[in-house]
Amino acid sequence: SQQGEEDPQALSIQEGENATMNCSYKTSINNLQWYRQNSGRGLVHLILIRSNEREKHSGRLRVTLDTSKKSSSLLITASRAADTASYFCATAGAETSYDKVIFGPGTSLSVIP
Amino acid sequence: NAGVTQTPKFQVLKTGQSMTLQCAQDMNHNSMYWYRQDPGMGLRLIYYSASEGTTDKGEVPNGYNVSRLNKREFSLRLESAAPSQTSVYFCASRNRDRGHEQYFGPGTRLTVT
Repeated sequence: SQQGEEDPQALSIQEGENATMNCSYKTSINNLQWYRQNSGRGLVHLILIRSNEREKHSGRLRVTLDTSKKSSSLLITASRAADTASYFCATAGAETSYDKVIFGPGTSLSVIP
Repeated sequence: NAGVTQTPKFQVLKTGQSMTLQCAQDMNHNSMYWYRQDPGMGLRLIYYSASEGTTDKGEVPNGYNVSRLNKREFSLRLESAAPSQTSVYFCASRNRDRGHEQYFGPGTRLTVT
């Protein structure tokens, strides 16, 4: 299987705090992406990091990738109540598996006002 | 642009009935995907189509068939529905040559009794 685990499964923090979620995967990848889902609706793409990159920023989001450990983390800084959602990582396999995009089980984030 | 559209939005089937879920995208994307999401869980890949004329199995293909009708449309068929197929089904598309993120439809909520 291409995908591994995400942790924590659930995270509850106060508004203004930082939230960190982790993702692990099992096989070689071309890139790793993070998505957000609000209340069972469709997923929205947040950020992508390629296998030759180690860190990427987008606004309040910071993503790191460690290919030697096959893991990634998503940091949301200065969280807001509107950040309450489920967050999923997804991997696109390397080479012939590039089109096979697999999602992890996700982290449910609650930001308390 | 409508993006990715799915029909129907809701469906209730009896065990053994068949149905086809429709998906269309107007972004000229070459790759399309079908996922299922069970309550409180992540997305699991059922089938995907890297380009028009090709389809491949994902993580959980049993009980499903797909058709990539043309570049715009990718349908998912349940030949003999089972209660275990009760889920929310999401279609997604991606331009594999220019970007890597997936764009998701709003989902089809299917209940099999």
